[in-house]
Amino acid sequence: TQLLEQSPQFLSIQEGENLTVYCNSSSVFSSLQWYRQEPGEGPVLLVTVVTGGEVKKLKRLTFQFGDARKDSSLHITAAQPGDTGLYLCAGTQGGSEKLVFGKGTKLTVNP
Amino acid sequence: NAGVTQTPKFQVLKTGQSMTLQCAQDMNHEYMSWYRQDPGMGLRLIHYSVGAGITDQGEVPNGYNVSRSTTEDFPLRLLSAAPSQTSVYFCASSYSNLMNTEAFFGQGTRLTVV
Repeated sequence: TQLLEQSPQFLSIQEGENLTVYCNSSSVFSSLQWYRQEPGEGPVLLVTVVTGGEVKKLKRLTFQFGDARKDSSLHITAAQPGDTGLYLCAGTQGGSEKLVFGKGTKLTVNP
Repeated sequence: NAGVTQTPKFQVLKTGQSMTLQCAQDMNHEYMSWYRQDPGMGLRLIHYSVGAGITDQGEVPNGYNVSRSTTEDFPLRLLSAAPSQTSVYFCASSYSNLMNTEAFFGQGTRLTVV
């Protein structure tokens, strides 16, 4: 059973469109992170959210942590081909330093 | 600032061979971990360490050993390689405070076992 469920698994859109990807769990997390991974590279941290209901913006990317700290979403406005990649959510629970990852959403933005 | 350095980047092994994947970090992080990434499976934790001399198993530890003699280095050993260990391996180094852990990853080692 996957602790963090990401949806959709694949997403292919045209440049300029908006999109939202989701990261859901039945468990509470101390923090959730979003990473982006490009082919042949390791994941790179985009943002960390730690407070229930928290919203963070990074240029055209908006990240939200659910009020109950069980879920998170990533919204991209006016997607660009440079946004193409694998988006991974990951979380920590309680006092543990272990990061649990979702399976990822593979995003393709076509010019 | 190098961050997390993994070697080698690519490796082909024959079934039954052993090898060590190297990982070094220069950020003075206490927490280090190894993941494997397979298509459709995301990142799965193999082993982790909360500091020099301390290691523990993750989700998929069978067939792998680790040690942590220094803060900087965290090598992963494959004892007797099997085709099921064909994967991309990532080492990560993390810092942690009371509420948050953030990981920095190496570029990965693509391992093929034939």
